[in-house]
Amino acid sequence: NAGVTQTPKFQVLKTGQSMTLQCAQDMNHEYMSWYRQDPGMGLRLIHYSVGAGITDQGEVPNGYNVSRSTTEDFPLRLLSAAPSQTSVYFCAIGRGPTDTQYFGPGTRLTVL
Amino acid sequence: SQKIEQNSEALNIQEGKTATLTCNYTNYSPAYLQWYRQDPGRGPVFLLLIRENEKEKRKERLKVTFDTTLKQSLFHITASQPADSATYLCALDIRSFKTIFGAGTRLFVKA
Repeated sequence: NAGVTQTPKFQVLKTGQSMTLQCAQDMNHEYMSWYRQDPGMGLRLIHYSVGAGITDQGEVPNGYNVSRSTTEDFPLRLLSAAPSQTSVYFCAIGRGPTDTQYFGPGTRLTVL
Repeated sequence: SQKIEQNSEALNIQEGKTATLTCNYTNYSPAYLQWYRQDPGRGPVFLLLIRENEKEKRKERLKVTFDTTLKQSLFHITASQPADSATYLCALDIRSFKTIFGAGTRLFVKA
C-alpha cells in the first residue's frame, strides 16, 4: 500500500450523517478511483478521476460525491449515510486506467 | 449484462502442488486482464497483467493464460506454499477508463 494513504481506518456512522473518506497519494499518478468491497460481490467502482478537475461515475455512484482539486487528493463524500453503504472502501491509483492499480489499506465503514 | 465469474468456492490444495484459478467473463472484449492478491484486512496487490494479444505470461511461480475466444483466464501457482494462501481477484478493463473486478477465489495451501 506504499504511496496511497486512506483515513480513517474505521468509522461508525448513524443513518443520515455525512462524512468524507480521505485518499492521498505521493506517486504523482493521474488516475484515482474509489471502490467498495462487499462479501461475495467483489470490488465495485464508485467514482474515478483521470486527472485534477476531472471526475466521472463508476458502477455504483449513487449516494457518493467526489472532487479532485489536486493530483494528490481524491476525497469521497457520503452526504447522508445509509445502512446499505456499510462496506470496506478502497482508494486506488494508477498511471492510467489501463495500468496497474495500487490500492490503499481501506476504510471499514459501518452505518447503523 | 456484463459479468465476471470466479469460482466462489474456496480452493484447498496441498503444499507443492499447482493451484489453478479460473476467471470467466461475458459481454466484454477487454484489452487486458489483471490478477491481484488480497490478504484479509488489506487492499489488493497487483500480480500480473496480460494483454489481449498475449496467450501466456509468467512471473516466477505464477503463470497466467488469456483465451479471448473462450473468454477465460487461468491463473496458476506452481510449487504452492502456505504463504500463497489468500484471495485472488481477476480484473478487466472495459474500454471506458474503468477496471472491474471479479469477486475473487480464496486459496488455502496446506502444509
